[in-house]
Amino acid sequence: QTVVTQEPSLTVSPGGTVTLTCASSTGAVTSRYYPNWFQQKPGQAPRALIYSTTNKYSWTPARFSGSLLGGKAALTLSGVQPEDEAEYYCLLSYGDTWVFGGGTKLTVL
Amino acid sequence: QVHLVESGGGVVQPGRSLRLSCAASGSTFSSHGMHWVRQAPGKGLEWVALIWFDGSKQYYADSVRGRFTISRDNSQSTLYLQMNSLGAEDTAIYYCARLYGKDVDIWGQGTMVTVSS
Repeated sequence: QTVVTQEPSLTVSPGGTVTLTCASSTGAVTSRYYPNWFQQKPGQAPRALIYSTTNKYSWTPARFSGSLLGGKAALTLSGVQPEDEAEYYCLLSYGDTWVFGGGTKLTVL
Repeated sequence: QVHLVESGGGVVQPGRSLRLSCAASGSTFSSHGMHWVRQAPGKGLEWVALIWFDGSKQYYADSVRGRFTISRDNSQSTLYLQMNSLGAEDTAIYYCARLYGKDVDIWGQGTMVTVSS
């Protein structure tokens, strides 16, 4: 059973920078896992932010960026805004199956 | 702009069946694989199933394999999830989402399934 692990919760001050990570129980995360990142606010469907590790959608704010960091996929928010308070999920592809991380609840305080 | 709209959710008794639908707008439905993803109340996202763009291959999470069947009708731009032998653990919001290459870009708004006697 493959497990994808994220920080359960993080707190950041407005204007600050925070990095969320996504680890795989199978070993180091590489671009071959096609890491995706999603934002979900209460009562809403998830919204895609980052695809294939580093790529942004047209609707993704510039302050969001994706990378690989120390064997994990990472999502960095620079210049955090109050509206960034949300749950963030990563998704990794394992060929025939896909696994979500447990999510990180980001609090902006 | 592609839109996905799920339907078919509701309250169902344990052991019974339910079929969900996901209607896609736009002309590119038949070019993309499609996922079903679910979210139990207060919990995280769980990948459920994937079907290739042409319906030729289907993949399932261990938790639903043998009970759920994903299918599609490209002529109707509609994705389906047939759910059999439902249990309380299947209570969740079910989302359909588009596979774009190896990525997931567009999500529907979800449909709620409650399994309860």
